[in-house]
Amino acid sequence: NAGVMQNPRHLVRRRGQEARLRCSPMKGHSHVYWYRQLPEEGLKFMVYLQKENIIDESGMPKERFSAEFPKEGPSILRIQQVVRGDSAAYFCASSPVGGAYEQYFGPGTRLTVT
Amino acid sequence: QQQVKQSPQSLIVQKGGIPIINCAYENTAFDYFPWYQQFPGKGPALLIAIRPDVSEKKEGRFTISFNKSAKQFSLHIMDSQPGDSATYFCAATRQRSSGDKLTFGTGTRLAVRP
Repeated sequence: NAGVMQNPRHLVRRRGQEARLRCSPMKGHSHVYWYRQLPEEGLKFMVYLQKENIIDESGMPKERFSAEFPKEGPSILRIQQVVRGDSAAYFCASSPVGGAYEQYFGPGTRLTVT
Repeated sequence: QQQVKQSPQSLIVQKGGIPIINCAYENTAFDYFPWYQQFPGKGPALLIAIRPDVSEKKEGRFTISFNKSAKQFSLHIMDSQPGDSATYFCAATRQRSSGDKLTFGTGTRLAVRP
């Protein structure tokens, strides 16, 4: 049973470009969470999605950031017009129905904005 | 009220020692407390978790102690090995079948010397 998959693993963008991060949850998991980890800091919650629904986006910056989890395909975290402060590791976690508090993390996407 | 405070920030022990990492929370609605282990360049891995109806849980060399009245919990690593050198994060959430975000501590960087 494959774990949570994220791609790309590393992403370099120039200021003003768009970044798209993808997350495929573990098989059988229908809950997806996105977290951001700044250098030398802990993980901060960004958004929680179920298929075709955003459940909690209280940690998402109000501008430039969006997320989706379509009926088919991976979850996407999209950052428009990136700035240097967006440089961080972005982790996706998934959890199963009924055990939604057990979250399993992917390897992360390390975004560098130059 | 959503914070989880973790200490120490870093810890060095000799092989065979018992490092102890402490966490404290404020939100009494939290009822599930996992610990994650993260190696450099990797995603956090779920290590062990506890619910507040028990005071201690042991899995292999890892033990969680929980003090509900003090709203504190701690991780002990018995017979620590150099391979345990990693960053450890405590977290807290609510057990809901519909899912909920994790609130993380700031992490403890552990080094186990041979």
